[in-house]
Amino acid sequence: GQSLEQPSEVTAVEGAIVQINCTYQTSGFYGLSWYQQHDGGAPTFLSYNALDGLEETGRFSSFLSRSDSYGYLLLQELQMKDSASYFCAVRALNSGYALNFGKGTSLLVTP
Amino acid sequence: NAGVTQTPKFRVLKTGQSMTLLCAQDMNHEYMYWYRQDPGMGLRLIHYSVGEGTTAKGEVPDGYNVSRLKKQNFLLGLESAAPSQTSVYFCASSRKVEAFFGQGTRLTVV
Repeated sequence: GQSLEQPSEVTAVEGAIVQINCTYQTSGFYGLSWYQQHDGGAPTFLSYNALDGLEETGRFSSFLSRSDSYGYLLLQELQMKDSASYFCAVRALNSGYALNFGKGTSLLVTP
Repeated sequence: NAGVTQTPKFRVLKTGQSMTLLCAQDMNHEYMYWYRQDPGMGLRLIHYSVGEGTTAKGEVPDGYNVSRLKKQNFLLGLESAAPSQTSVYFCASSRKVEAFFGQGTRLTVV
C-alpha cells in the first residue's frame, strides 16, 4: 500500500508565503497531486507532478523530488479565501493508478 | 456539463438497514472511486474501478460493495449499515491526472 505524511495544521498571515510538505512511501509511483477542500465542499484539483521539479500555476506551485519521496505545495500572496484543507495524493501502479490521499493539512490564514 | 453527480446528498439509516449510493459522471472517464471522509482521517479509498465491469478494493472496503455495470455509473452499497459507517462519502472520476469529485453524501447511521 501507500502512506503519506503531511502536517495536520498550518497557520499563516495574509500576504505571506506558506509551504505544505508531503512525504510518501509507495511502489510503482506514478505522480503526486494536490487538492484543496473548503469546509463542507468537495475536493478540487490544484496541481500534479510526475517528474522532478517545480510546477507553477498562478499563486500556487508544487514541487517533487522522486529520489527523496517528497513534495510540497507552495502558496504565495496568501488570501483569506485560501483557508482550507490541502491534501497530497499519490497515484501508483500497484493500486491500479487509484488516488490515495494523505490526511490533509488544515491551513488557517489570519489577517 | 454536470460533471460528477451523487445521490442522495443526505441520508439517515437505522443500524442494519441497507442502501445504495449512486454516482454518475458525464466525462467519459475510465476511473471512478468511492472515498469516505471522517474528521482527522482524510479521504480513505473504499473501492475503485478502472473501467466498465471492473472493481477493486481500496483501503477500507469492509461492509461495502460496488458495481460498475455502465461506464458512467458507479454504485456503492451498504449491506447492513453500522454506526461506524457514519461519514461523508465522496465519489470521484478521472482519467490519469485530475480527479473530479461529486458534492458528497452525508450519511448518518443511528
